[in-house]
Amino acid sequence: AQTVTQSQPEMSVQEAETVTLSCTYDTSESDYYLFWYKQPPSRQMILVIRQEAYKQQNATENRFSVNFQKAAKSFSLKISDSQLGDAAMYFCAYRSALETGGGADGLTFGKGTHLIIQP
Amino acid sequence: DGGITQSPKYLFRKEGQNVTLSCEQNLNHDAMYWYRQDPGQGLRLIYYSQIVNDFQKGDIAEGYSVSREKKESFPLTVTSAQKNPTAFYLCARSTRSDTQYFGPGTRLTVL
Repeated sequence: AQTVTQSQPEMSVQEAETVTLSCTYDTSESDYYLFWYKQPPSRQMILVIRQEAYKQQNATENRFSVNFQKAAKSFSLKISDSQLGDAAMYFCAYRSALETGGGADGLTFGKGTHLIIQP
Repeated sequence: DGGITQSPKYLFRKEGQNVTLSCEQNLNHDAMYWYRQDPGQGLRLIYYSQIVNDFQKGDIAEGYSVSREKKESFPLTVTSAQKNPTAFYLCARSTRSDTQYFGPGTRLTVL
């Protein structure tokens, strides 16, 4: 079974600065997807960024980018120019690219990192 | 609403009662999922369904049941067999690709 580990329960950053959230995972598969989701106080899970394991290029979405190191099984999220609205829980998630039982399985989540933005 | 709705937002249950959480999507997506979130934890998969009239158990299916009679609806029943049902429940949708999009969630509390 796959596991996802987020080793930083909480991170704090000054507004406008850059912060990196860590994520490592364990899998024996070669093809999979990785995600970062944001959960603000409303508790709505919001997709931040998605990475396909077979793509070497790191995904980028505006101020959010990832550092995907497949050999090291590492998938960190970098947030540039941090804004107050970025304050939230951030979850790293893994999904196999294999389809089993006629369909795809669900996501495996880490326990999350609570990001605090200092004004 | 991102094409997926959940109701109610808050639900209270007495011990020994079954309750049903609603999840509806209007984007004609094949796959739907139910997750449970406990305080300080990530999400854990309860059940998922790829097509109508078919569903699969996730990691923590004991004490839960689902149905998929219509493509747009995937209700979750929390039965009295679930020993610790107080949690936040999230439903998600996806195409047969990879990205899942979540509903706003239901907070269930056992009184």
